[in-house]
Amino acid sequence: KAGVTQTPRYLIKTRGQQVTLSCSPISGHRSVSWYQQTPGQGLQFLFEYFSETQRNKGNFPGRFSGRQFSNSRSEMNVSTLELGDSALYLCASRSRALSSYEQYFGPGTRLTVT
Amino acid sequence: SQKIEQNSEALNIQEGKTATLTCNYTNYSPAYLQWYRQDPGRGPVFLLLIRENEKEKRKERLKVTFDTTLKQSLFHITASQPADSATYLCAGISSGSARQLTFGSGTQLTVLP
Repeated sequence: KAGVTQTPRYLIKTRGQQVTLSCSPISGHRSVSWYQQTPGQGLQFLFEYFSETQRNKGNFPGRFSGRQFSNSRSEMNVSTLELGDSALYLCASRSRALSSYEQYFGPGTRLTVT
Repeated sequence: SQKIEQNSEALNIQEGKTATLTCNYTNYSPAYLQWYRQDPGRGPVFLLLIRENEKEKRKERLKVTFDTTLKQSLFHITASQPADSATYLCAGISSGSARQLTFGSGTQLTVLP
């Protein structure tokens, strides 16, 4: 079974620009979560999508948004980029079965804002 | 706010010894705790999950405990090997429908040959 894939792997943007990151979950997984990882704050939860609906949201400003498509693929968007948005953005998928909490992470997208 | 703390940022041990990593939680009661391994430049990899009503869980050389009185989980790697060197992350999952993961900052383990 193919793992979680994320594109692009690396991205350099300028302050004020916007960016869209993409995530394809493991086949059959309908839940996709996004995380931001920085050296100072660690791994922080952004949001979770299931069946094209946002089910859960972390404490991030409205500049961070996402969506999920009918094939479970997900995108996240960050508008009006700030230097502090430089981070590794990780996507994770999991089975939605009630007993399943294992998250399968992708390799991440390294975003650098200059 | 709910918090997961991993007290040691870094831990060095000799090959063959048992590594013990600590995870403490405050301001909430996670129904589950998970442990992940993360190598540089890669996403975390799930290792073990333990429920609040379980005292201990084992998988090969790995053992995790969950003490709801101390609000703590311990993660042990026995007969450690240099290949076990990585950052280990603890994560709590609250009960209820949210199922949101709260991660600790991680402990970087180095196993010296």
